[in-house]
Amino acid sequence: IQLTQSPSSLSASVGDRVTITCRASQGISSYLAWYQQKPGKAPKLLIYAASTLQSGVPSRFSGSGSGTDFTLTISSLQPEDFATYYCQQLNSYSITFGQGTRLEIK
Amino acid sequence: EVQLVESGGGLVQPGGSLRLSCAASGFTFSSYEMNWVRQAPGKGLEWVSYISSSGSTIYYADSVKGRFTISRDNAKNSLYLQMNSLRAEDTAVYYCARDGKGVAGFDYWGQGTLVTVSS
Repeated sequence: IQLTQSPSSLSASVGDRVTITCRASQGISSYLAWYQQKPGKAPKLLIYAASTLQSGVPSRFSGSGSGTDFTLTISSLQPEDFATYYCQQLNSYSITFGQGTRLEIK
Repeated sequence: EVQLVESGGGLVQPGGSLRLSCAASGFTFSSYEMNWVRQAPGKGLEWVSYISSSGSTIYYADSVKGRFTISRDNAKNSLYLQMNSLRAEDTAVYYCARDGKGVAGFDYWGQGTLVTVSS
């Protein structure tokens, strides 16, 4: 199962609302997770089961979608949110990740 | 506090072998499925392998099937990845990651260990 994220990169300002999309090559129900990764660090789980917020993750992050189309939304960007974001499908083993979306400061 | 600490990375020649370890603490290791994920320099994330809590079920990415072997020792709270017939394209940071219950994603990750395959 292939995951295609868009956009590949994005420039935004603090306070902006940002949406990243992830499209699966076939239906994966709600078996999708989102991760944030900062340079030199391990990925951090943000959202699982497409829309469930991981414990400790700020509520400005939200996820939606099912089947083949999913979105990650950050309602009001904070300085610490500038990072790379990946989606991941867990519908089947082999697990796959999207290619990533780099979120940069405008 | 959940901790995952990888070790065993380093420089190895093409065709060589390396064994990675991941030491787990702060949770009941034997109750959790585990994974290895890698990231080539400047590239995205690639899932490598999965092992069930008992070790009875194992999966591999096609890119490593037949060359890598995942295993675990629940008595030692440790996860392993034996890597044989290494290629330049295996160069990456290797992370161990805990599988959240159900299909809840990978909820804890180690800091990673760098494997460099080069002559």
